[in-house]
Amino acid sequence: DTGVSQDPRHKITKRGQNVTFRCDPISEHNRLYWYRQTLGQGPEFLTYFQNEAQLEKSRLLSDRFSAERPKGSFSTLEIQRTEQGDSAMYLCASSLYRSIEETQYFGPGTRLLVL
Amino acid sequence: GQQLNQSPQSMFIQEGEDVSMNCTSSSIFNTWLWYKQDPGEGPVLLIALYKAGELTSNGRLTAQFGITRKDSFLNISASIPSDVGIYFCAGRPLVGTASKLTFGTGTRLQVTL
Repeated sequence: DTGVSQDPRHKITKRGQNVTFRCDPISEHNRLYWYRQTLGQGPEFLTYFQNEAQLEKSRLLSDRFSAERPKGSFSTLEIQRTEQGDSAMYLCASSLYRSIEETQYFGPGTRLLVL
Repeated sequence: GQQLNQSPQSMFIQEGEDVSMNCTSSSIFNTWLWYKQDPGEGPVLLIALYKAGELTSNGRLTAQFGITRKDSFLNISASIPSDVGIYFCAGRPLVGTASKLTFGTGTRLQVTL
Protein backbone atom coordinates (compact mmCIF):
# COMPACT_ATOMS: atom_id res chain seq x y z
CA ASP A 1 0.00 0.00 0.00
CA THR A 2 1.54 3.33 -1.01
CA GLY A 3 -0.93 5.63 0.72
CA VAL A 4 -0.24 8.14 3.48
CA SER A 5 0.83 6.43 6.71
CA GLN A 6 0.84 7.77 10.25
CA ASP A 7 2.43 6.51 13.41
CA PRO A 8 1.32 5.85 16.06
CA ARG A 9 -2.36 5.23 15.39
CA HIS A 10 -3.24 5.81 19.02
CA LYS A 11 -1.50 7.65 21.85
CA ILE A 12 -2.53 8.05 25.48
CA THR A 13 -0.48 10.45 27.54
CA LYS A 14 -0.66 12.35 30.80
CA ARG A 15 -1.13 16.08 30.90
CA GLY A 16 2.17 17.89 30.73
CA GLN A 17 4.00 15.23 28.72
CA ASN A 18 5.42 15.78 25.24
CA VAL A 19 4.26 13.69 22.29
CA THR A 20 5.50 13.35 18.73
CA PHE A 21 3.63 12.01 15.71
CA ARG A 22 5.04 10.95 12.37
CA CYS A 23 3.55 11.14 8.88
CA ASP A 24 4.91 9.49 5.75
CA PRO A 25 3.31 10.99 2.63
CA ILE A 26 2.64 9.34 -0.68
CA SER A 27 5.94 8.97 -2.49
CA GLU A 28 6.86 12.04 -4.62
CA HIS A 29 4.11 14.20 -3.15
CA ASN A 30 5.64 17.61 -2.55
CA ARG A 31 3.00 19.00 -0.19
CA LEU A 32 2.19 17.72 3.27
CA TYR A 33 -0.61 18.98 5.52
CA TRP A 34 -1.55 18.54 9.18
CA TYR A 35 -5.15 18.82 10.35
CA ARG A 36 -6.83 18.31 13.72
CA GLN A 37 -10.27 16.80 14.13
CA THR A 38 -12.30 16.81 17.32
CA LEU A 39 -15.36 14.64 17.93
CA GLY A 40 -18.32 15.56 15.76
CA GLN A 41 -16.41 18.13 13.72
CA GLY A 42 -14.69 18.22 10.37
CA PRO A 43 -10.90 18.42 10.18
CA GLU A 44 -9.33 21.83 10.81
CA PHE A 45 -6.14 22.98 9.14
CA LEU A 46 -3.01 23.31 11.29
CA THR A 47 -0.04 23.75 8.95
CA TYR A 48 1.45 22.67 5.65
CA PHE A 49 4.79 22.18 3.91
CA GLN A 50 5.91 22.38 0.34
CA ASN A 51 8.99 20.18 0.22
CA GLU A 52 10.85 21.14 3.43
CA ALA A 53 9.48 24.69 3.71
CA GLN A 54 6.65 25.36 6.15
CA LEU A 55 4.44 27.76 4.18
CA GLU A 56 1.49 28.41 6.47
CA LYS A 57 0.51 27.93 10.10
CA SER A 58 -2.98 28.25 11.52
CA ARG A 59 -3.77 30.34 14.58
CA LEU A 60 -4.85 27.00 16.06
CA LEU A 61 -1.18 26.05 16.19
CA SER A 62 -0.08 27.38 19.56
CA ASP A 63 3.54 27.80 20.64
CA ARG A 64 3.40 24.32 22.15
CA PHE A 65 3.02 22.80 18.68
CA SER A 66 5.88 22.43 16.24
CA ALA A 67 6.06 20.64 12.92
CA GLU A 68 9.02 19.72 10.76
CA ARG A 69 9.68 18.16 7.40
CA PRO A 70 13.48 18.13 7.38
CA LYS A 71 14.21 16.41 4.09
CA GLY A 72 10.99 17.10 2.30
CA SER A 73 9.75 13.57 2.85
CA PHE A 74 8.26 12.49 6.20
CA SER A 75 7.03 15.01 8.74
CA THR A 76 6.74 15.12 12.52
CA LEU A 77 4.28 17.02 14.68
CA GLU A 78 5.33 17.59 18.29
CA ILE A 79 3.09 18.80 21.08
CA GLN A 80 4.88 19.99 24.20
CA ARG A 81 3.31 20.12 27.65
CA THR A 82 0.11 18.49 26.47
CA GLU A 83 -3.24 19.69 27.79
CA GLN A 84 -6.57 17.88 27.92
CA GLY A 85 -7.84 20.16 25.17
CA ASP A 86 -5.23 18.68 22.83
CA SER A 87 -7.17 15.41 22.76
CA ALA A 88 -8.20 14.93 19.14
CA MET A 89 -7.49 13.01 15.95
CA TYR A 90 -4.42 14.39 14.17
CA LEU A 91 -4.62 13.85 10.42
CA CYS A 92 -1.89 14.12 7.84
CA ALA A 93 -2.55 14.60 4.13
CA SER A 94 -0.28 14.85 1.11
CA SER A 95 -0.65 16.13 -2.43
CA LEU A 96 1.27 16.63 -5.63
CA TYR A 97 1.04 20.34 -6.33
CA ARG A 98 1.45 21.09 -10.00
CA SER A 99 -1.61 23.13 -10.83
CA ILE A 100 -4.90 24.33 -9.51
CA GLU A 101 -6.11 20.72 -9.65
CA GLU A 102 -4.43 19.69 -6.39
CA THR A 103 -6.01 16.86 -4.43
CA GLN A 104 -5.16 16.00 -0.83
CA TYR A 105 -5.08 12.36 0.28
CA PHE A 106 -5.39 11.64 3.97
CA GLY A 107 -3.71 9.14 6.24
CA PRO A 108 -5.53 7.07 8.89
CA GLY A 109 -4.80 9.60 11.63
CA THR A 110 -3.30 9.50 15.13
CA ARG A 111 -5.84 9.61 17.91
CA LEU A 112 -4.47 11.42 20.98
CA LEU A 113 -6.00 11.18 24.44
CA VAL A 114 -4.57 13.40 27.15
CA LEU A 115 -5.51 12.32 30.66
CA GLY B 1 -12.02 27.83 12.96
CA GLN B 2 -14.38 28.32 10.03
CA GLN B 3 -16.42 25.34 8.90
CA LEU B 4 -18.74 25.10 5.93
CA ASN B 5 -22.47 24.62 6.42
CA GLN B 6 -23.38 21.08 5.49
CA SER B 7 -26.87 19.60 5.49
CA PRO B 8 -28.52 17.52 6.53
CA GLN B 9 -26.59 16.82 9.71
CA SER B 10 -27.71 13.19 9.68
CA MET B 11 -29.88 10.89 7.61
CA PHE B 12 -31.53 7.54 8.16
CA ILE B 13 -32.48 5.90 4.89
CA GLN B 14 -33.47 2.50 3.63
CA GLU B 15 -31.25 0.42 1.41
CA GLY B 16 -31.92 1.23 -2.23
CA GLU B 17 -32.96 4.83 -1.63
CA ASP B 18 -31.21 7.82 -3.18
CA VAL B 19 -29.42 10.32 -0.95
CA SER B 20 -28.73 14.02 -1.42
CA MET B 21 -26.61 16.31 0.68
CA ASN B 22 -25.21 19.78 0.17
CA CYS B 23 -22.62 22.21 1.37
CA THR B 24 -22.69 25.99 1.35
CA SER B 25 -20.15 28.70 2.02
CA SER B 26 -20.12 32.46 2.40
CA SER B 27 -16.82 32.50 0.49
CA ILE B 28 -15.98 31.58 -3.08
CA PHE B 29 -14.02 28.39 -3.63
CA ASN B 30 -12.03 27.19 -6.65
CA THR B 31 -12.12 23.53 -5.64
CA TRP B 32 -14.71 21.37 -3.96
CA LEU B 33 -13.90 17.91 -2.65
CA TRP B 34 -16.12 15.26 -1.09
CA TYR B 35 -14.70 12.77 1.41
CA LYS B 36 -16.14 9.82 3.35
CA GLN B 37 -14.88 8.97 6.81
CA ASP B 38 -15.42 5.74 8.73
CA PRO B 39 -15.05 5.64 12.53
CA GLY B 40 -11.42 5.82 13.64
CA GLU B 41 -10.11 6.31 10.11
CA GLY B 42 -9.00 9.21 7.97
CA PRO B 43 -11.19 10.78 5.26
CA VAL B 44 -11.19 8.97 1.92
CA LEU B 45 -11.56 11.04 -1.25
CA LEU B 46 -14.73 10.36 -3.24
CA ILE B 47 -14.96 13.11 -5.85
CA ALA B 48 -12.98 16.23 -6.76
CA LEU B 49 -14.49 19.24 -8.59
CA TYR B 50 -12.41 22.03 -10.15
CA LYS B 51 -14.74 24.09 -12.34
CA ALA B 52 -17.95 25.99 -11.59
CA GLY B 53 -20.93 24.07 -12.93
CA GLU B 54 -18.93 20.84 -13.24
CA LEU B 55 -20.88 17.62 -12.74
CA THR B 56 -18.76 14.54 -11.95
CA SER B 57 -19.69 10.93 -11.26
CA ASN B 58 -17.87 8.12 -9.48
CA GLY B 59 -19.96 4.95 -9.67
CA ARG B 60 -23.18 5.58 -7.77
CA LEU B 61 -21.92 8.98 -6.58
CA THR B 62 -22.51 12.23 -8.43
CA ALA B 63 -21.31 15.64 -7.28
CA GLN B 64 -21.75 19.13 -8.66
CA PHE B 65 -19.73 22.34 -8.27
CA GLY B 66 -22.29 25.12 -7.84
CA ILE B 67 -22.34 27.85 -10.47
CA THR B 68 -21.93 30.55 -7.80
CA ARG B 69 -18.78 28.78 -6.52
CA LYS B 70 -20.31 28.94 -3.04
CA ASP B 71 -21.95 25.53 -2.91
CA SER B 72 -21.67 21.90 -3.88
CA PHE B 73 -23.96 18.88 -3.89
CA LEU B 74 -23.42 15.15 -3.51
CA ASN B 75 -25.92 12.50 -4.56
CA ILE B 76 -25.71 8.78 -3.84
CA SER B 77 -28.01 6.56 -5.85
CA ALA B 78 -29.36 3.19 -4.74
CA SER B 79 -27.71 3.25 -1.32
CA ILE B 80 -26.20 0.09 0.13
CA PRO B 81 -25.18 -0.75 3.73
CA SER B 82 -21.50 0.05 3.12
CA ASP B 83 -22.46 3.65 2.34
CA VAL B 84 -22.80 4.15 6.09
CA GLY B 85 -20.37 6.76 7.38
CA ILE B 86 -19.78 10.48 7.67
CA TYR B 87 -19.55 12.50 4.47
CA PHE B 88 -17.57 15.73 4.47
CA CYS B 89 -17.39 18.44 1.89
CA ALA B 90 -14.20 20.49 1.69
CA GLY B 91 -13.40 23.64 -0.23
CA ARG B 92 -10.27 25.48 -1.22
CA PRO B 93 -10.48 29.27 -1.54
CA LEU B 94 -10.17 31.22 -4.76
CA VAL B 95 -7.88 33.91 -3.39
CA GLY B 96 -4.11 33.71 -3.61
CA THR B 97 -2.11 30.51 -3.32
CA ALA B 98 -3.81 29.22 -0.19
CA SER B 99 -4.03 25.45 -0.34
CA LYS B 100 -5.60 24.56 2.99
CA LEU B 101 -9.00 22.92 2.89
CA THR B 102 -11.98 24.17 4.87
CA PHE B 103 -14.27 21.31 5.83
CA GLY B 104 -17.98 21.06 6.38
CA THR B 105 -19.54 19.86 9.59
CA GLY B 106 -20.35 16.47 8.08
CA THR B 107 -23.45 14.47 7.17
CA ARG B 108 -23.82 11.20 9.06
CA LEU B 109 -25.50 8.59 6.87
CA GLN B 110 -27.10 5.47 8.28
CA VAL B 111 -28.64 2.86 6.00
CA THR B 112 -31.22 0.42 7.22
CA LEU B 113 -31.97 -2.86 5.52
